[in-house]
Amino acid sequence: SQQGEEDPQALSIQEGENATMNCSYKTSINNLQWYRQNSGRGLVHLILIRSNEREKHSGRLRVTLDTSKKSSSLLITASRAADTASYFCATDPRGGNTPLVFGKGTRLSVIA
Amino acid sequence: SQTIHQWPATLVQPVGSPLSLECTVEGTSNPNLYWYRQAAGRGLQLLFYSVGIGQISSEVPQNLSASRPQDRQFILSSKKLLLSDSGFYLCAWSVGGSVNYGYTFGSGTRLTVV
Repeated sequence: SQQGEEDPQALSIQEGENATMNCSYKTSINNLQWYRQNSGRGLVHLILIRSNEREKHSGRLRVTLDTSKKSSSLLITASRAADTASYFCATDPRGGNTPLVFGKGTRLSVIA
Repeated sequence: SQTIHQWPATLVQPVGSPLSLECTVEGTSNPNLYWYRQAAGRGLQLLFYSVGIGQISSEVPQNLSASRPQDRQFILSSKKLLLSDSGFYLCAWSVGGSVNYGYTFGSGTRLTVV
């Protein structure tokens, strides 16, 4: 079943602009993760935020988590054409050794 | 360092033919292993996962099966492929017995059933 839902489904921006993607989920979680997928390739882990954390940074990436609203956002600052990819959120449901549940992804296009 | 190998990269198979996709992990022990499938433009659907040799959990009833004959080897199989089995198959591993670790994915296998 789909736990995380990304919004928007597709996003097109100019190089240098910031890109914001949102993720909503349904159940309690241990952590929430963001992944990137270039066309026709495997997913690459970007960042993990634990349920007791509210914000995390990694380079040009900023992730926030609001467990009361069951939502997360991924911000990519100063985007580059190379950031063009699909971005997925994945949740690690609390309560057992259960696999990550992925959303359908946001397709980001950064235009040079 | 840990690496994950998945092959083949692409595969075109006729309906009714068998399937075997292999995934191996290097540089770690007792990993959790996963098979996901991704339809075009869609998210990832979990097919199977394994927390140890011979331990397979299936998430979706289908004509696919999985096996883990060795600690770092995960195989996805089918005796007779259906058209609906077409898709992008991804193998992944994570640290066994722990939460709060990300997954490392293989490069994927594009399967087209004709």
